[in-house]
Amino acid sequence: DIQMTQSPSSLSASVGDTVTITCRASQNIGAFLNWYQQKPGKAPKLLIYAASTLQSGVPSRFSGSRSGTDFTLTISSLQREDFATYSCQQSYGTPPYTFGQGTKLE
Amino acid sequence: QVQLQESGPGLVKPSETLSLTCTVSGGSISGYYWNWIRQPAGKGLEWIGRIYSSGTANYNPSLNSRVTMSVDTSKNQVSLKVTSVTADDTAIYYCAKDPAGYNWLDPWGQGTLVTVSS
Repeated sequence: DIQMTQSPSSLSASVGDTVTITCRASQNIGAFLNWYQQKPGKAPKLLIYAASTLQSGVPSRFSGSRSGTDFTLTISSLQREDFATYSCQQSYGTPPYTFGQGTKLE
Repeated sequence: QVQLQESGPGLVKPSETLSLTCTVSGGSISGYYWNWIRQPAGKGLEWIGRIYSSGTANYNPSLNSRVTMSVDTSKNQVSLKVTSVTADDTAIYYCAKDPAGYNWLDPWGQGTLVTVSS
């Protein structure tokens, strides 16, 4: 199975900051990497798919990028509603489509 | 827009079978993959498996022998069964749609908590 290593596991920031969260895949997954946001007591919400494509309705302060097997989620000018847990998911080839362990943004 | 709603018993005894249903409204289940994902309290997301509307399914090898998924197109529902459950199967269970065939998931159901306890 493809392993996804997500870092950091938690991150402290303030409104207006720019933060980055990283996922590293254990093997080449091309651009088959997706990012989700999850707020307490709620289901995950798709933010970015295919490494860098913003899901419809997601603010442009969210962006994703890829460098080899390293993927980054960047949130610019943090807003209060952005404080949540973020998870990556690889969706390359045959299943299983594994998730990272999540990053709690506080 | 498409909405998903999980349903089923919230409490299952150890060694018994967990059975959940995901009802899809606002769209047809035909032509899409439907996924099940679970999340133990305070932990990360685990992909359980997926089923296509034709009934073809893929399961996570970590659960493979205990998981069965099925689809009922007449009711617009997909179902999940996990046999021989233990406390490790206690989690929130979500269903989610793969809207484009590339395995990203959107939307998700609200999730349902299943506790395994005697």
